[in-house]
Amino acid sequence: AQTVTQSQPEMSVQEAETVTLSCTYDTSENNYYLFWYKQPPSRQMILVIRQEAYKQQNATENRFSVNFQKAAKSFSLKISDSQLGDTAMYFCAFMKHVRAGGTSYGKLTFGQGTILTVHP
Amino acid sequence: DAGVIQSPRHEVTEMGQEVTLRCKPISGHNSLFWYRQTMMRGLELLIYFNNNVPIDDSGMPEDRFSAKMPNASFSTLKIQPSEPRDSAVYFCASSLTQQGIILLNYGYTFGSGTRLTVV
Repeated sequence: AQTVTQSQPEMSVQEAETVTLSCTYDTSENNYYLFWYKQPPSRQMILVIRQEAYKQQNATENRFSVNFQKAAKSFSLKISDSQLGDTAMYFCAFMKHVRAGGTSYGKLTFGQGTILTVHP
Repeated sequence: DAGVIQSPRHEVTEMGQEVTLRCKPISGHNSLFWYRQTMMRGLELLIYFNNNVPIDDSGMPEDRFSAKMPNASFSTLKIQPSEPRDSAVYFCASSLTQQGIILLNYGYTFGSGTRLTVV
């Protein structure tokens, strides 16, 4: 089974500073996908960034970037120039295709989450 | 696009009552997922539908839980009878797939969830 581990239950950062959230995963697969989702107090799950395992280049989306270390099975999220609106719970998630019902689909498995608080 | 729409946003019910949660996926999406979020277990996949057909229900915890998707624009998750340990946030998500493969440029789009409290 695939497991996703986020070792930091809570993190805090000052506005405009940089913070890195950690994530490790365990899999024997070679083809998979990794995601970071943000869940603000509104509860909405928002996709922040995604990474295909076969791509060596780290994904970036504006202030958000990842450090993907495939051999180490590590996928950390870096938030630069933190803003108050970044305060949320952040989930690391792993997707691989699984077989069920005679077909296959991309199953998303989540870590336990990291609560990030950005202070003014 | 209105996104994935879930109702109700909050539900409080008494133990033993039937509860029905509703989801409208994004128009054109052919895959639908129900997830449950609790403090103890995090986010767990309950059931996956593709083209309105249940494909993987291995995450459904007990026979008290059932899910249906009568058409492409509507799904329900029912708990009968409800118990206090069912208290959680239930999310619906939809996606677009071709031959069962999630199109990554679509990913999963989640609704805002239903917070269920069983007293």
